[in-house]
Amino acid sequence: DVKVTQSSRYLVKRTGEKVFLECVQDMDHENMFWYRQDPGLGLRLIYFSYDVKMKEKGDIPEGYSVSREKKERFSLILESASTNQTSMYLCASITRQGKSYEQYFGPGTRLTVT
Amino acid sequence: AQSVAQPEDQVNVAEGNPLTVKCTYSVSGNPYLFWYVQYPNRGLQFLLKYITGDNLVKGSYGFEAEFNKSQTSFHLKKPSALVSDSALYFCAVRDGRGSTLGRLYFGRGTQLTVWP
Repeated sequence: DVKVTQSSRYLVKRTGEKVFLECVQDMDHENMFWYRQDPGLGLRLIYFSYDVKMKEKGDIPEGYSVSREKKERFSLILESASTNQTSMYLCASITRQGKSYEQYFGPGTRLTVT
Repeated sequence: AQSVAQPEDQVNVAEGNPLTVKCTYSVSGNPYLFWYVQYPNRGLQFLLKYITGDNLVKGSYGFEAEFNKSQTSFHLKKPSALVSDSALYFCAVRDGRGSTLGRLYFGRGTQLTVWP
């Protein structure tokens, strides 16, 4: 089974702090994604990566950056956390090989910025 | 541009009754369509997908979905709902035109409540 893990289930940070959210997948997937989920808005794509050291902006990249130094790990960074970044953050991965097509999701990190 | 609409924020159904969660989509080219389910404070779990072939696809937990190209719809169905089906359901679409990025476009979600 594909496994996508996220470093924290719940996180509380203060405004202005630098925040790191880590995501690791164990199935050698090439592509990885970071979403945020807010009630009534569904999932919105923040950033994605299709290879080590490669990144592409999604729909809402402002206030975020990402890092992919190893194939299995994709980090989301909040440079200076703000209260409007309080949200559920979901990581996902997908392989470019074969015919599976579906993304596999981690359990999510619920971040509260106070 | 790719997009998905889930017209109902909430669907309520009695246990044992059939359920339908609606989804319509807009995509360039042939669509790849997906349904995911999310239980409280959990990540998304894959339920089923339509890529090509039979318009009726079967997935996990007794769910099925019908692809209707003329109506650009992909409604999720189950013949007999269970209380344990209560969760948040997301429809998603991917452009099938050979893109290898695998990007999905999600609807806003439909909260399904099955009452005993």
